[in-house]
Amino acid sequence: AQTVTQSQPEMSVQEAETVTLSCTYDTSESDYYLFWYKQPPSRQMILVIRQEAYKQQNATENRFSVNFQKAAKSFSLKISDSQLGDAAMYFCAYRSRDNYGQNFVFGPGTRLSVLP
Amino acid sequence: NAGVMQNPRHLVRRRGQEARLRCSPMKGHSHVYWYRQLPEEGLKFMVYLQKENIIDESGMPKERFSAEFPKEGPSILRIQQVVRGDSAAYFCASSPWTGSSYEQYFGPGTRLTVT
Repeated sequence: AQTVTQSQPEMSVQEAETVTLSCTYDTSESDYYLFWYKQPPSRQMILVIRQEAYKQQNATENRFSVNFQKAAKSFSLKISDSQLGDAAMYFCAYRSRDNYGQNFVFGPGTRLSVLP
Repeated sequence: NAGVMQNPRHLVRRRGQEARLRCSPMKGHSHVYWYRQLPEEGLKFMVYLQKENIIDESGMPKERFSAEFPKEGPSILRIQQVVRGDSAAYFCASSPWTGSSYEQYFGPGTRLTVT
């Protein structure tokens, strides 16, 4: 079974600065998807960024980018120019590509605070 | 296109009562997933359903919990004889079937409180 680990329960960053959230995972599969979700106080799960394991190029979405190291099974999220609205819980998630195991496996989350 | 809808958003039940949580997937989506989030934890997979079929219920407790996704109407997660430990946020997600689709769209969740 796959597992996802986020070793930083809490992080803080100064507004306009850059912060990196860590995520590692364990799998025996070679093809899969990785995601970062943001959960603000409203509890709505918002997709931040996704990465296909077969793609070597790191995904980017505006101020959000990932550092995907497949061999090390590491998938960190970098938030540049942090804004107050970025404060939330961030969850790393793994999804198998095979047709049967389509559910997400989530990490325990990192609570990000943005300091003005 | 409306997003995934869940109701109620908040549900309070006394110990021993039944809780029914509803999920209407996005239009055109035939796959529904239920997840549970305990306080200060990540989401944990419970069950994966297609219309009229349970595909994977490996994350669902063997007793008191059941789920269905009928041909017509929303998916229902039913918890019988609720206990305090069932207090959590329950999220539904849906996806279309396109073979290689990897996207799941989450609803706003139902927060269940058992008193």
